[in-house]
Amino acid sequence: AQSVTQLGSHVSVSEGALVLLRCNYSSSVPPYLFWYVQYPNQGLQLLLKYTSAATLVKGINGFEAEFKKSETSFHLTKPSAHMSDAAEYFCAVSEGRTSYDKVIFGPGTSLSVIP
Amino acid sequence: DGGITQSPKYLFRKEGQNVTLSCEQNLNHDAMYWYRQDPGQGLRLIYYSQIVNDFQKGDIAEGYSVSREKKESFPLTVTSAQKNPTAFYLCASWDRGYTGELFFGEGSRLTVL
Repeated sequence: AQSVTQLGSHVSVSEGALVLLRCNYSSSVPPYLFWYVQYPNQGLQLLLKYTSAATLVKGINGFEAEFKKSETSFHLTKPSAHMSDAAEYFCAVSEGRTSYDKVIFGPGTSLSVIP
Repeated sequence: DGGITQSPKYLFRKEGQNVTLSCEQNLNHDAMYWYRQDPGQGLRLIYYSQIVNDFQKGDIAEGYSVSREKKESFPLTVTSAQKNPTAFYLCASWDRGYTGELFFGEGSRLTVL
């Protein structure tokens, strides 16, 4: 069965500092992996996705993530945090390929950016 | 612009009442989903539908019901049998093409008084 863990329910960084949000997954087949961002009282927006192409994936707003099969990880990074990055971040995994499969979400990490 | 519209955004309900949350999409997606979000628990799948007139229970379907009479619409009814209905509800649809990603609505916040 698929599962997702996110280390740290809350992360605080200073403005301009590196952002690192951790995600580990379990999957019986090569997965699709996603990072979504959610601002208060809004829906989720896709930041980036891994679909078995390049292992280093670049997304919107300067975020990127690296798929490491040996570590079953898909950590999200951004070199320099901005105040507007403060939000909830969700890692998700899906085994879907040509047909639907369930998308499993991690519990989320709340990112705070300190001025 | 294509997207997913959820209504109402905020809803208050008295205990013992059923309430229906609307979800409409104009993305021409076949599959649609309802998730429930509680603080610290991520998103949990309530129901999903791959095609019109067909739907399946997710992980927490008890106390909820859905219908899928049109491709564009997937309403969720929170019944009086749901023990703890106060939550943020998110509707999503699935892009079965290359991107394989979920598209989300803005959510509906239900509060039971």
